[in-house]
Amino acid sequence: DTGVSQNPRHKITKRGQNVTFRCDPISEHNRLYWYRQTLGQGPEFLTYFQNEAQLEKSRLLSDRFSAERPKGSFSTLEIQRTEQGDSAMYLCASSAASVADTQYFGPGTRLTVL
Amino acid sequence: AQTVTQSQPEMSVQEAETVTLSCTYDTSESDYYLFWYKQPPSRQMILVIRQEAYKQQNATENRFSVNFQKAAKSFSLKISDSQLGDAAMYFCAYRPNFGNEKLTFGTGTRLTIIP
Repeated sequence: DTGVSQNPRHKITKRGQNVTFRCDPISEHNRLYWYRQTLGQGPEFLTYFQNEAQLEKSRLLSDRFSAERPKGSFSTLEIQRTEQGDSAMYLCASSAASVADTQYFGPGTRLTVL
Repeated sequence: AQTVTQSQPEMSVQEAETVTLSCTYDTSESDYYLFWYKQPPSRQMILVIRQEAYKQQNATENRFSVNFQKAAKSFSLKISDSQLGDAAMYFCAYRPNFGNEKLTFGTGTRLTIIP
């Protein structure tokens, strides 16, 4: 059973650059979630998809952030004009069709903005 | 808005002993789910145990069990026979059963196992 995968695992970028992260969910899961985790904190919800539809976005997701899931499989999270405050771990999770199903997390992408 | 509070930033326990991690939450919903996730130093979040609010029976998974007190909005995790591999950050999380599917996490408890 292949779990949730995320790439890259680490990304170092300079302030003002754009970055894109990818998440591949567990194959039969139609729900996909993005969270952000800063040091010493629990993950905070950013957005989620059911199939290819983006159903909710957090107020944390500023205009510089965009997420897509074009074919209802993998998802990308892009951050434009990165700022030092964007430095964090970005976690992806997926779950199966039922709202009651557990979310399974990937290893995360650690972003460092210099 | 729902909130989850973990009041113990750090805990330690002797190997083979029992430890209890605390979690309280605030919600106006009556139907929801509660979770304990473990995040080892490698950082991948792993589900430890989950509890449906409508079930009165406390969930158990091998050495892990919960004490769910719905009226008190308390959801503690008990780890029995602690092992070195249990060392990790433990996060308590909440999700309502309807509508919003996001998980709301506490700030975590770092558990150290003393050999």
